[in-house]
Amino acid sequence: ILNVEQSPQSLHVQEGDSTNFTCSFPSSNFYALHWYRWETAKSPEALFVMTLNGDEKKKGRISATLNTKEGYSYLYIKGSQPEDSATYLCAFIKGVGNQFYFGTGTSLTVIP
Amino acid sequence: EAGVVQSPRYKIIEKKQPVAFWCNPISGHNTLYWYLQNLGQGPELLIRYENEEAVDDSQLPKDRFSAERLKGVDSTLKIQPAELGDSAVYLCASSLGLGGGGHNEQFFGPGTRLTVL
Repeated sequence: ILNVEQSPQSLHVQEGDSTNFTCSFPSSNFYALHWYRWETAKSPEALFVMTLNGDEKKKGRISATLNTKEGYSYLYIKGSQPEDSATYLCAFIKGVGNQFYFGTGTSLTVIP
Repeated sequence: EAGVVQSPRYKIIEKKQPVAFWCNPISGHNTLYWYLQNLGQGPELLIRYENEEAVDDSQLPKDRFSAERLKGVDSTLKIQPAELGDSAVYLCASSLGLGGGGHNEQFFGPGTRLTVL
């Protein structure tokens, strides 16, 4: 069993606050790391696909970093808005890209 | 461009009944995935297709689950007979490219929420 852990499990923040979550994965046999946002009653939507150690990606107020040597990725949201409320999933891809392992997600609620 | 389409969105059946889910991926996407998501858990891969070939079905409980993607486009996942523990969300996703596709983002459908009574 391969463990991909996300923390915290859930988070409540005030509108305007900045926040971050962690995805931890095995440091060996890394191929890629994906971040997805899953809003209630909608489909999961890809945020980032990260492949290189030290990668930093940004999309609007959301950014992510990757450390493959120590096996973690951070997702940051700057100035959280109510529309950011969703579950954020990471997926660790092992080997030559054939095996996807999802974490259990971080549920974010932004309070207006 | 249309996204990944799944039907039905919701299904309630009694245990021991059969059930089938349908997925139509984004046009041109070679790779199709079926995932199972239990409450409070992340999606778990059931089967991955590259075109019409099932290249990873190691997590598919083959005694009761089956899947097909006959023409390499849409796909059907079947459970027969369903058990109480099969209640979950069944997600379909597709992506461009072959050979695992780990560098390609996946596009997910809305899922089918199955309740087995």
